[in-house]
Amino acid sequence: NAGVTQTPKFRVLKTGQSMTLLCAQDMNHEYMYWYRQDPGMGLRLIHYSVGEGTTAKGEVPDGYNVSRLKKQNFLLGLESAAPSQTSVYFCASSQTGTVSNQPQHFGDGTRLSIL
Amino acid sequence: GQQVMQIPQYQHVQEGEDFTTYCNSSTTLSNIQWYKQRPGGHPVFLIQLVKSGEVKKQKRLTFQFGEAKKNSSLHITATQTTDVGTYFCARMKTSYDKVIFGPGTSLSVIP
Repeated sequence: NAGVTQTPKFRVLKTGQSMTLLCAQDMNHEYMYWYRQDPGMGLRLIHYSVGEGTTAKGEVPDGYNVSRLKKQNFLLGLESAAPSQTSVYFCASSQTGTVSNQPQHFGDGTRLSIL
Repeated sequence: GQQVMQIPQYQHVQEGEDFTTYCNSSTTLSNIQWYKQRPGGHPVFLIQLVKSGEVKKQKRLTFQFGEAKKNSSLHITATQTTDVGTYFCARMKTSYDKVIFGPGTSLSVIP
């Protein structure tokens, strides 16, 4: 089982460049999430999706866009990369968001550096 | 706001010693989840607590949810080097559509 797959695993960008991070899950999960992780700050939610065709803002959405055209894929876009967006990006998915909440399954992460 | 705080931020223990991390909220939590992240790895779900006063065990790990549902703890008995990593608690927002993570407790185990 692949679970949650993120591509690429590493990337270096120059300030002002744009790129898209891809997240794919094969568990038929409804909910998908994008987080960024910075030292000492835990995981901060960027955007999330509760189903195909829907997206919503998380805690730190500025500078990012997302799309969920297919249930299994959740794309994170950086419109104009800035050094402050240097981080490790994690994608996660879960079955539902109900009170008997299913656990979140994480990908291996994308290490992104903006020069 | 609806953040959760974790203490301590870092903990260094000798192998075989016990370890406890605490997760605190100023508001009542509907549930609490715990995750472990090994160095260089991704977070992995450990457990979810839902009921007031709930206690769950996984081998050497004991998870507890406070009676007022405002705090939780993770206790590891007789730590091993395989316990090294960062332990996160996470709360679910009342809309049940997203999870907010605490800052984590980083555990180092000295062999």
